Amino acid sequence: AQTVTQSQPEMSVQEAETVTLSCTYDTSENNYYLFWYKQPPSRQMILVIRQEAYKQQNATENRFSVNFQKAAKSFSLKISVSQLGDTAMYFCAFMVSGGYQKVTFGTGTKLQVIP
Amino acid sequence: DSGVTQTPKHLITATGQRVTLRCSPRSGDLSVYWYQQSLDQGLQFLIHYYNGEERAKGNILERFSAQQFPDLHSELNLSSLELGDSALYFCASSVAGGMSTDTQYFGPGTRLTVL
Repeated sequence: AQTVTQSQPEMSVQEAETVTLSCTYDTSENNYYLFWYKQPPSRQMILVIRQEAYKQQNATENRFSVNFQKAAKSFSLKISVSQLGDTAMYFCAFMVSGGYQKVTFGTGTKLQVIP
Repeated sequence: DSGVTQTPKHLITATGQRVTLRCSPRSGDLSVYWYQQSLDQGLQFLIHYYNGEERAKGNILERFSAQQFPDLHSELNLSSLELGDSALYFCASSVAGGMSTDTQYFGPGTRLTVL
């Protein structure tokens, strides 16, 4: 079974600064996908970024980037030049490649961007 | 807007009742997934349908059932409702569902309150 751990229940960052959210996971699988989803106060689940485990290059989407360390089973999210709209709950998620496509979510990190 | 629609947005009902939640996937998506988000359990995978067929079951209670229709919309039926069933129910969709892996895009959710 897969587990996803987010050890930071809450974080805050000053607007325009950079913040890193941590995520570790445990699996015996070799081929899988990792995701970061954002859930703002509206409760909508929004995909932020996705990383394929077979790719060594870290994924980047505008101000969002990840630090994927496969051997350490670590998948952190870096948000650069934080904006007020980044205030949300952030969930790290894991999915095995192929077969049943169940997504396992972490417990989330509540990020507050301070003006 | 992810392109996934869910109705109703809010639902308030009493214990012992039965409700039906509806989900329409993104155009072209064949897979539909249901998730439950409650305060104490976090985000839990319930069930996955691909092109009308059940593909995987997660932590879904026997009182709950789902189906996917020929037009690919899906319904989640919750019966004999209990207070603990109060939660946000998400539907997600993706293109694939067979042996390939694809990103899941979430709908806005249905907030169920059981009184």
